[in-house]
Amino acid sequence: DARVTQTPRHKVTEMGQEVTMRCQPILGHNTVFWYRQTMMQGLELLAYFRNRAPLDDSGMPKDRFSAEMPDATLATLKIQPSEPRDSAVYFCASALSGGREKLFFGSGTQLSVL
Amino acid sequence: KQEVTQIPAALSVPEGENLVLNCSFTDSAIYNLQWFRQDPGKGLTSLLLIQSSQREQTSGRLNASLDKSSGRSTLYIAASQPGDSATYLCAVRSQGAQKLVFGQGTRLTINP
Repeated sequence: DARVTQTPRHKVTEMGQEVTMRCQPILGHNTVFWYRQTMMQGLELLAYFRNRAPLDDSGMPKDRFSAEMPDATLATLKIQPSEPRDSAVYFCASALSGGREKLFFGSGTQLSVL
Repeated sequence: KQEVTQIPAALSVPEGENLVLNCSFTDSAIYNLQWFRQDPGKGLTSLLLIQSSQREQTSGRLNASLDKSSGRSTLYIAASQPGDSATYLCAVRSQGAQKLVFGQGTRLTINP
């Protein structure tokens, strides 16, 4: 089965440390999204890419978060420096172009910043 | 700004019952609407996708309807089973936008 792969599944770190989360979208999907899920806010879009180009990162705190797609098979989300309020589950999702197709989610990275 | 609301936040029913989950959205100019299922500690799984030109979609025991003019969608689950227990989320993609706006979800529990 084709699936979106995220690593790591869990990450515990101390405040101030750099965190890097990785995502491998489904082969052939050219649109990649990063979402964050918390109990209070639910699912929030952080950034998304089409054909590796960032189209919208308005949901991301620019001073500490950065998202990139070094190639079509890898998307990264970095937090530097991390803060306790960043603790959440971070999901990557991918889709075929056009937006008429279903969105496929990875299993998420559960981040705890102490 | 599109806002998506799901009521109730939680629902508990006995096995075998048919049930309806509700989703409402504020801006009727949508491109499509998706229903997702999320199991505890897992990612989201897309169940049904309804394009703006469609009225409903069916998959097995699931049926999703869309009424754009009233800003509503329902997910109907027939003959519910304990394995249907999960959180169900509705997400809307507005016209001219790429991102999905999610509701807070309905946590469904099917009691054996």
